[in-house]
Amino acid sequence: DIQMTQSPPSLSASVGDRVTISCRASQSIGTYLNWYQVKSGEAPKVLIYGASNLPSGVPSRFSGGGSLIEFTLTINSLQPEDVATYYCHQSSVSPYTFGQGTKVEIK
Amino acid sequence: QLELQESGPGLVRPSETLSLSCTVSSDSISGTTYYWAWIRQPPGQGLEWIGSVYYSGSTYYTPSLRSRVTMSIDTSKRQFSLKLTSVTAADTAVYYCAREAHDTADYHFDFWGQGALVTVSS
Repeated sequence: DIQMTQSPPSLSASVGDRVTISCRASQSIGTYLNWYQVKSGEAPKVLIYGASNLPSGVPSRFSGGGSLIEFTLTINSLQPEDVATYYCHQSSVSPYTFGQGTKVEIK
Repeated sequence: QLELQESGPGLVRPSETLSLSCTVSSDSISGTTYYWAWIRQPPGQGLEWIGSVYYSGSTYYTPSLRSRVTMSIDTSKRQFSLKLTSVTAADTAVYYCAREAHDTADYHFDFWGQGALVTVSS
Protein backbone atom coordinates (compact mmCIF):
# COMPACT_ATOMS: atom_id res chain seq x y z
CA ASP A 1 0.00 0.00 0.00
CA ILE A 2 1.08 3.59 -0.61
CA GLN A 3 1.75 5.39 2.66
CA MET A 4 0.73 9.05 2.90
CA THR A 5 2.56 11.15 5.49
CA GLN A 6 1.17 14.55 6.45
CA SER A 7 2.87 17.31 8.36
CA PRO A 8 2.42 18.93 10.72
CA PRO A 9 -0.08 16.83 12.73
CA SER A 10 -1.56 20.05 14.05
CA LEU A 11 -1.07 23.78 13.78
CA SER A 12 -2.37 26.96 15.31
CA ALA A 13 -2.43 30.18 13.32
CA SER A 14 -4.05 33.60 13.42
CA VAL A 15 -6.95 34.76 11.30
CA GLY A 16 -5.51 36.10 8.07
CA ASP A 17 -2.36 33.97 8.18
CA ARG A 18 -1.18 31.84 5.31
CA VAL A 19 -1.12 28.17 6.27
CA THR A 20 0.60 25.34 4.42
CA ILE A 21 0.09 21.60 5.01
CA SER A 22 2.39 19.04 3.44
CA CYS A 23 1.72 15.52 2.26
CA ARG A 24 4.34 13.03 1.11
CA ALA A 25 3.64 9.76 -0.70
CA SER A 26 5.79 6.66 -0.23
CA GLN A 27 6.01 6.30 -4.02
CA SER A 28 5.19 8.39 -7.04
CA ILE A 29 1.47 9.05 -7.53
CA GLY A 30 1.67 11.59 -10.34
CA THR A 31 -0.97 14.18 -9.53
CA TYR A 32 -3.58 11.74 -8.22
CA LEU A 33 -3.79 13.57 -4.91
CA ASN A 34 -6.86 15.03 -3.27
CA TRP A 35 -7.48 17.10 -0.15
CA TYR A 36 -10.51 16.95 2.14
CA GLN A 37 -11.79 19.10 5.00
CA VAL A 38 -13.44 17.23 7.88
CA LYS A 39 -15.43 18.96 10.59
CA SER A 40 -16.99 17.05 13.48
CA GLY A 41 -20.58 16.08 12.74
CA GLU A 42 -20.48 17.32 9.16
CA ALA A 43 -20.06 15.64 5.81
CA PRO A 44 -16.43 15.83 4.69
CA LYS A 45 -15.78 18.16 1.78
CA VAL A 46 -13.35 17.88 -1.11
CA LEU A 47 -11.16 20.98 -1.37
CA ILE A 48 -8.69 20.01 -4.10
CA TYR A 49 -8.61 17.15 -6.59
CA GLY A 50 -5.93 16.16 -9.03
CA ALA A 51 -3.35 17.96 -6.86
CA SER A 52 -4.36 21.46 -7.92
CA ASN A 53 -7.96 21.56 -9.15
CA LEU A 54 -10.47 23.57 -7.15
CA PRO A 55 -14.04 22.19 -7.22
CA SER A 56 -16.88 24.58 -7.84
CA GLY A 57 -17.96 26.32 -4.64
CA VAL A 58 -14.66 25.95 -2.78
CA PRO A 59 -13.27 29.34 -1.72
CA SER A 60 -10.31 30.54 -3.77
CA ARG A 61 -8.18 30.96 -0.64
CA PHE A 62 -7.59 27.19 -0.87
CA SER A 63 -4.95 26.01 -3.32
CA GLY A 64 -3.01 22.83 -3.95
CA GLY A 65 0.30 22.07 -5.54
CA GLY A 66 2.93 19.44 -6.10
CA SER A 67 3.39 16.22 -8.02
CA LEU A 68 4.96 12.77 -7.82
CA ILE A 69 5.60 12.42 -4.06
CA GLU A 70 5.43 15.93 -2.54
CA PHE A 71 2.22 17.90 -2.26
CA THR A 72 0.93 20.95 -0.42
CA LEU A 73 -2.38 22.45 0.57
CA THR A 74 -2.28 26.20 1.19
CA ILE A 75 -4.92 28.31 2.87
CA ASN A 76 -4.35 31.95 2.06
CA SER A 77 -5.83 34.19 4.73
CA LEU A 78 -7.06 31.67 7.29
CA GLN A 79 -10.67 32.20 8.35
CA PRO A 80 -12.47 31.05 11.54
CA GLU A 81 -14.62 28.67 9.51
CA ASP A 82 -11.46 26.87 8.34
CA VAL A 83 -11.02 25.23 11.74
CA ALA A 84 -11.09 21.55 10.81
CA THR A 85 -8.91 18.53 10.16
CA TYR A 86 -7.47 18.24 6.67
CA TYR A 87 -6.61 14.96 4.95
CA CYS A 88 -4.70 14.15 1.81
CA HIS A 89 -5.76 11.10 -0.21
CA GLN A 90 -4.08 9.26 -3.06
CA SER A 91 -6.25 7.83 -5.82
CA SER A 92 -3.39 6.59 -7.99
CA VAL A 93 -3.40 2.99 -6.84
CA SER A 94 -5.87 0.77 -5.03
CA PRO A 95 -6.13 0.51 -2.09
CA TYR A 96 -6.75 4.23 -1.78
CA THR A 97 -5.00 5.64 1.27
CA PHE A 98 -5.22 8.80 3.33
CA GLY A 99 -2.78 10.81 5.36
CA GLN A 100 -3.20 10.88 9.13
CA GLY A 101 -4.64 14.37 9.09
CA THR A 102 -3.63 17.89 10.11
CA LYS A 103 -5.75 19.64 12.71
CA VAL A 104 -5.98 23.39 12.11
CA GLU A 105 -6.92 25.72 14.94
CA ILE A 106 -7.14 29.48 15.38
CA LYS A 107 -4.60 31.09 17.69
CA GLN B 1 -26.59 19.36 -4.55
CA LEU B 2 -26.25 15.61 -4.13
CA GLU B 3 -27.04 14.25 -0.67
CA LEU B 4 -26.08 10.92 0.84
CA GLN B 5 -27.44 9.52 4.09
CA GLU B 6 -26.14 6.55 6.04
CA SER B 7 -28.52 4.36 8.05
CA GLY B 8 -28.22 1.28 10.21
CA PRO B 9 -27.72 0.07 13.78
CA GLY B 10 -25.44 2.15 15.96
CA LEU B 11 -24.50 -0.82 18.15
CA VAL B 12 -23.29 -4.22 16.96
CA ARG B 13 -22.24 -7.18 19.13
CA PRO B 14 -18.74 -8.63 18.71
CA SER B 15 -18.55 -11.45 16.14
CA GLU B 16 -21.79 -10.31 14.49
CA THR B 17 -22.31 -8.53 11.15
CA LEU B 18 -22.32 -4.77 10.71
CA SER B 19 -24.86 -3.67 8.10
CA LEU B 20 -25.23 -0.14 6.77
CA SER B 21 -27.10 1.41 3.89
CA CYS B 22 -26.58 4.68 2.08
CA THR B 23 -29.44 6.46 0.33
CA VAL B 24 -28.54 8.74 -2.56
CA SER B 25 -30.70 11.73 -3.46
CA SER B 26 -30.36 11.52 -7.23
CA ASP B 27 -30.32 9.15 -10.19
CA SER B 28 -26.57 9.61 -10.46
CA ILE B 29 -26.37 6.29 -8.62
CA SER B 30 -27.02 4.75 -12.05
CA GLY B 31 -24.37 6.88 -13.70
CA THR B 32 -21.48 5.30 -15.53
CA THR B 33 -18.91 7.82 -14.29
CA TYR B 34 -19.34 7.17 -10.59
CA TYR B 35 -18.51 4.53 -8.06
CA TRP B 36 -20.01 4.47 -4.57
CA ALA B 37 -17.71 4.09 -1.62
CA TRP B 38 -17.53 3.35 2.07
CA ILE B 39 -14.88 5.03 4.22
CA ARG B 40 -14.48 4.80 7.97
CA GLN B 41 -12.78 6.73 10.75
CA PRO B 42 -12.07 5.00 14.07
CA PRO B 43 -12.17 7.29 17.12
CA GLY B 44 -9.11 9.52 17.22
CA GLN B 45 -7.72 8.04 14.00
CA GLY B 46 -7.58 8.89 10.34
CA LEU B 47 -9.71 7.90 7.38
CA GLU B 48 -9.67 4.40 5.90
CA TRP B 49 -11.17 3.50 2.52
CA ILE B 50 -13.12 0.24 2.79
CA GLY B 51 -14.21 -0.30 -0.78
CA SER B 52 -16.33 0.84 -3.70
CA VAL B 53 -19.20 -0.50 -5.79
CA TYR B 54 -20.28 0.35 -9.36
CA TYR B 55 -23.86 0.64 -10.59
CA SER B 56 -23.42 -2.75 -12.28
CA GLY B 57 -22.53 -4.38 -8.96
CA SER B 58 -18.81 -4.78 -9.56
CA THR B 59 -16.76 -4.06 -6.48
CA TYR B 60 -13.25 -3.52 -5.24
CA TYR B 61 -12.18 -3.62 -1.63
CA THR B 62 -9.18 -2.79 0.49
CA PRO B 63 -7.17 -6.03 0.92
CA SER B 64 -7.07 -5.85 4.72
CA LEU B 65 -10.87 -6.14 4.94
CA ARG B 66 -11.63 -8.10 1.77
CA SER B 67 -12.36 -11.37 3.55
CA ARG B 68 -15.06 -9.75 5.70
CA VAL B 69 -16.63 -7.13 3.40
CA THR B 70 -19.51 -7.30 0.97
CA MET B 71 -20.89 -4.27 -0.86
CA SER B 72 -23.99 -4.21 -2.98
CA ILE B 73 -26.10 -1.67 -4.85
CA ASP B 74 -29.81 -1.30 -5.67
CA THR B 75 -30.21 1.50 -8.19
CA SER B 76 -34.01 1.22 -8.15
CA LYS B 77 -33.98 2.21 -4.48
CA ARG B 78 -31.05 4.63 -4.92
CA GLN B 79 -29.21 2.71 -2.22
CA PHE B 80 -25.93 0.93 -1.74
CA SER B 81 -24.93 -1.18 1.21
CA LEU B 82 -22.05 -2.41 3.33
CA LYS B 83 -21.82 -5.65 5.26
CA LEU B 84 -18.83 -6.36 7.51
CA THR B 85 -18.76 -9.74 9.19
CA SER B 86 -17.13 -10.98 12.40
CA VAL B 87 -16.73 -7.50 13.85
CA THR B 88 -14.52 -6.66 16.81
CA ALA B 89 -13.97 -3.52 18.84
CA ALA B 90 -11.42 -2.45 16.22
CA ASP B 91 -14.32 -1.97 13.79
CA THR B 92 -15.83 0.76 15.97
CA ALA B 93 -15.81 3.86 13.79
CA VAL B 94 -17.76 6.56 12.05
CA TYR B 95 -18.73 5.05 8.71
CA TYR B 96 -19.12 7.43 5.76
CA CYS B 97 -20.64 6.74 2.39
CA ALA B 98 -19.39 8.80 -0.51
CA ARG B 99 -19.61 9.22 -4.27
CA GLU B 100 -16.37 8.44 -6.08
CA ALA B 101 -16.12 10.58 -9.18
CA HIS B 102 -14.59 8.96 -12.25
CA ASP B 103 -15.65 11.65 -14.73
CA THR B 104 -12.06 12.81 -15.00
CA ALA B 105 -8.83 10.86 -14.57
CA ASP B 106 -8.53 12.42 -11.12
CA TYR B 107 -10.69 10.06 -9.09
CA HIS B 108 -11.90 11.64 -5.87
CA PHE B 109 -14.75 11.51 -3.37
CA ASP B 110 -16.85 14.51 -4.37
CA PHE B 111 -19.87 14.06 -2.10
CA TRP B 112 -20.05 12.46 1.33
CA GLY B 113 -22.68 11.57 3.88
CA GLN B 114 -22.50 12.99 7.41
CA GLY B 115 -21.36 9.66 8.79
CA ALA B 116 -22.84 7.05 11.12
CA LEU B 117 -21.15 6.01 14.35
CA VAL B 118 -21.12 2.25 14.78
CA THR B 119 -19.94 0.89 18.11
CA VAL B 120 -18.97 -2.74 18.53
CA SER B 121 -19.66 -3.80 22.10
CA SER B 122 -21.42 -6.50 24.06
